[in-house]
Amino acid sequence: AQSVAQPEDQVNVAEGNPLTVKCTYSVSGNPYLFWYVQYPNRGLQFLLKYITGDNLVKGSYGFEAEFNKSQTSFHLKKPSALVSDSALYFCAVSERGGTYKYIFGTGTRLKVLA
Amino acid sequence: NAGVTQTPKFRILKIGQSMTLQCAQDMNHNYMYWYRQDPGMGLKLIYYSVGAGITDKGEVPNGYNVSRSTTEDFPLRLELAAPSQTSVYFCASTPDGQWIEKLFFGSGTQLSVL
Repeated sequence: AQSVAQPEDQVNVAEGNPLTVKCTYSVSGNPYLFWYVQYPNRGLQFLLKYITGDNLVKGSYGFEAEFNKSQTSFHLKKPSALVSDSALYFCAVSERGGTYKYIFGTGTRLKVLA
Repeated sequence: NAGVTQTPKFRILKIGQSMTLQCAQDMNHNYMYWYRQDPGMGLKLIYYSVGAGITDKGEVPNGYNVSRSTTEDFPLRLELAAPSQTSVYFCASTPDGQWIEKLFFGSGTQLSVL
């Protein structure tokens, strides 16, 4: 069965500093991996995805994520955090050749401090 | 282009009442999903559908039913509402194809069962 773990409930970072939001996954085959962001009282918005190819994926708003197969991780990163990046971030996994289910993690609240 | 439309946005039910959460998409997507979001629990998959007439259970299907008579619509039915079903419900869709694509989310339905 697919699963996703986001080990941190909250991440605090100072504005201008680099940020990392962690995600590890478990699938029996090859994964499709996604990051979504949710602002208060809104639906989820797509940030980026890993399907195949280059392990470093670039997405919206300056975010990027690195796929590491050996560590089964897909951490979200940004070189310089903005206060406006403060939101709830979700990692999700789907399995290639699987049932087309998308399984989400529990979410990490990012707080960027001015 | 409306995308994924959910109705209603808010609803309060009494224990034991029934209701249907509506979801419609105008993007001709075959795959549709229902999630519930609870604080600290992330998004949990309730049911999903890979096409008209085809539905399957997700992670937390108990207490819910779905149908998919058309490509556009994927209603979620609560037959006997319970306080444990108090949550925010999101509908999502995605196109089918060679690669799994991102999910397009509706704006959510906030449901309280009292």
